[in-house]
Amino acid sequence: KNEVEQSPQNLTAQEGEFITINCSYSVGISALHWLQQHPGGGIVSLFMLSSGKKKHGRLIATINIQEKHSSLHITASHPRDSAVYICSGSRLTFGEGTQLTVNP
Amino acid sequence: GAVVSQHPSWVICKSGTSVKIECRSLDFQATTMFWYRQFPKQSLMLMATSNEGSKATYEQGVEKDKFLINHASLTLSTLTVTSAHPEDSSFYICSARRTGNTGELFFGEGSRLTVL
Repeated sequence: KNEVEQSPQNLTAQEGEFITINCSYSVGISALHWLQQHPGGGIVSLFMLSSGKKKHGRLIATINIQEKHSSLHITASHPRDSAVYICSGSRLTFGEGTQLTVNP
Repeated sequence: GAVVSQHPSWVICKSGTSVKIECRSLDFQATTMFWYRQFPKQSLMLMATSNEGSKATYEQGVEKDKFLINHASLTLSTLTVTSAHPEDSSFYICSARRTGNTGELFFGEGSRLTVL
């Protein structure tokens, strides 16, 4: 069983929709990362969270340490948001990723 | 923002040769860098943790003699795939943690290795 699990694995949305990707982890962590990987492979770190909520533009990330759960939300989704979104625990274990496709 | 550069971005080599991949933090010092491997349609797998001036710490199942890691300065770590074979073909990614910072990681663009 992976220490970090994401859902859904695949997500297709229409432009403008509100999107939520979930991440659950089974080991204690001090911080969780949300990463974005584009088709070319390059990875961008979106957020590092240890508690509460962070917002950057249309992206919002929340974490509940007690429940070992984090969510990544995208408001007013756009085709350029299409990518794989990965959550990672502080032991540098990674979820399998969520493939997001936003159609125009 | 902090930038991590990997070079080369892609490389094709013959079986049996060695390939070196560089990971540089361009505008910050990184005491710790990490190397990952990613197979198609799979997530990243941590291979090793590279600490400046000391030996790398390898994850279970990663051959340290196969994947040589050197972190000779605060801005450069190198991964050398020795005697490469087709099964070593993969996407290799590094990340760096800013010196003094306990959390945020900055990722390189990755290096795609194809061994013929």
